Amino acid sequence: GNSVTQMEGPVTLSEEAFLTINCTYTATGYPSLFWYVQYPGEGLQLLLKATKADDKGSNKGFEATYRKETTSFHLEKGSVQVSDSAVYFCALEKAAGNKLTFGGGTRVLVKP
Amino acid sequence: DGGITQSPKYLFRKEGQNVTLSCEQNLNHDAMYWYRQDPGQGLRLIYYSQIVNDFQKGDIAEGYSVSREKKESFPLTVTSAQKNPTAFYLCASSMRTGELAQHFGDGTRLSIL
Repeated sequence: GNSVTQMEGPVTLSEEAFLTINCTYTATGYPSLFWYVQYPGEGLQLLLKATKADDKGSNKGFEATYRKETTSFHLEKGSVQVSDSAVYFCALEKAAGNKLTFGGGTRVLVKP
Repeated sequence: DGGITQSPKYLFRKEGQNVTLSCEQNLNHDAMYWYRQDPGQGLRLIYYSQIVNDFQKGDIAEGYSVSREKKESFPLTVTSAQKNPTAFYLCASSMRTGELAQHFGDGTRLSIL
């Protein structure tokens, strides 16, 4: 079956540091890949997505590239802010309207 | 603005009681989903519905029930059979074709008194 593996947190960084959160997946075919962000006490917000190999999703300074050869979708940001402190979830979807498979989430804490 | 509304934000239940969580969307999405999130953990799918009057069990459906009588609404009932109901519950919706991303509500936190 499908699965998503994320690096365990928490990840603690200083402001303006470089952030990488690793995400690898197992799935047959060509799933769509997503990163969601969850701020404390809130629901999930879509951060970025990629629907085919070599696509790069980007939003709010975050980027992730769909790498089929390594089955990965690592999230990166060049200079984090305190406001980026949140839990980040990697997810895959096999077909439109189908179920999402989530990773376990990675908590990021950015200190001033 | 279009979106997903979950209510209430906080809910308390006595032991042995059923309780219903509301989820309404005005995004004209066909598919809707319920997830459970426990502290420090990821999301687990409870039930999902691809179309009105149809729904399927997710990974942890025991102790829960749903209905999908209208496209806009997908209420979740946490029954007394659910022995550990304290959690954060998230509702989501998506199109069935085209735009793939699921859109989430702000969640309902359920606690047992």
